[in-house]
Amino acid sequence: AQKVTQAQTEISVVEKEDVTLDCVYETRDTTYYLFWYKQPPSGELVFLIRRNSFDEQNEISGRYSWNFQKSTSSFNFTITASQVVDSAVYFCALSEATYGNKLVFGAGTILRVKS
Amino acid sequence: DAMVIQNPRYQVTQFGKPVTLSCSQTLNHNVMYWYQQKSSQAPKLLFHYYDKDFNNEADTPDNFQSRRPNTSFCFLDIRSPGLGDAAMYLCATSRDKGQQPNQPQHFGDGTRLSIL
Repeated sequence: AQKVTQAQTEISVVEKEDVTLDCVYETRDTTYYLFWYKQPPSGELVFLIRRNSFDEQNEISGRYSWNFQKSTSSFNFTITASQVVDSAVYFCALSEATYGNKLVFGAGTILRVKS
Repeated sequence: DAMVIQNPRYQVTQFGKPVTLSCSQTLNHNVMYWYQQKSSQAPKLLFHYYDKDFNNEADTPDNFQSRRPNTSFCFLDIRSPGLGDAAMYLCATSRDKGQQPNQPQHFGDGTRLSIL
């Protein structure tokens, strides 16, 4: 069965601090895809990254970086030098090749960045 | 800009009165999804259309129906809304083809449904 766990319900940091959002997943498929989405207070879900199970390379995009480790079934997300505009709910999600397009979301982590 | 558009942004209906939420897209994506997101919870998939094929989630109540008259439009019909159906409803699209499955989903701004 597919499952995504985001153990951190809420994180508060001060601007310019680095912050890491944890994501642990469970799947029986050998082919699967992992995603991160951002949901600001306005409500829309914004796609940040997609990773397939065969690509364990870490990725950096500006202040964002992602660490994918199959050995620990984790796909963690780090924001460097956080800004107030980073305040949002962040969702990690999983889809399996067997179940096609179905996205299973974690419960989300609320990130509050204070100035 | 190409995008996913949901109307209305806010919808108020009465208990038991049918309501329809709409979604349109200019991305020409072949897959369209409807999610329900209750307060402080993760989005939950209700159903999706893969091209013209309708895929209902096993735990989606019969009260929820969907229509996709063409590639660009998809509707969510709630036949007899109950108080428990108050939520944000999110529409999403993706371009999934055989060799390129599980593509990122692009979401609209959502419709927040209130039940009186």
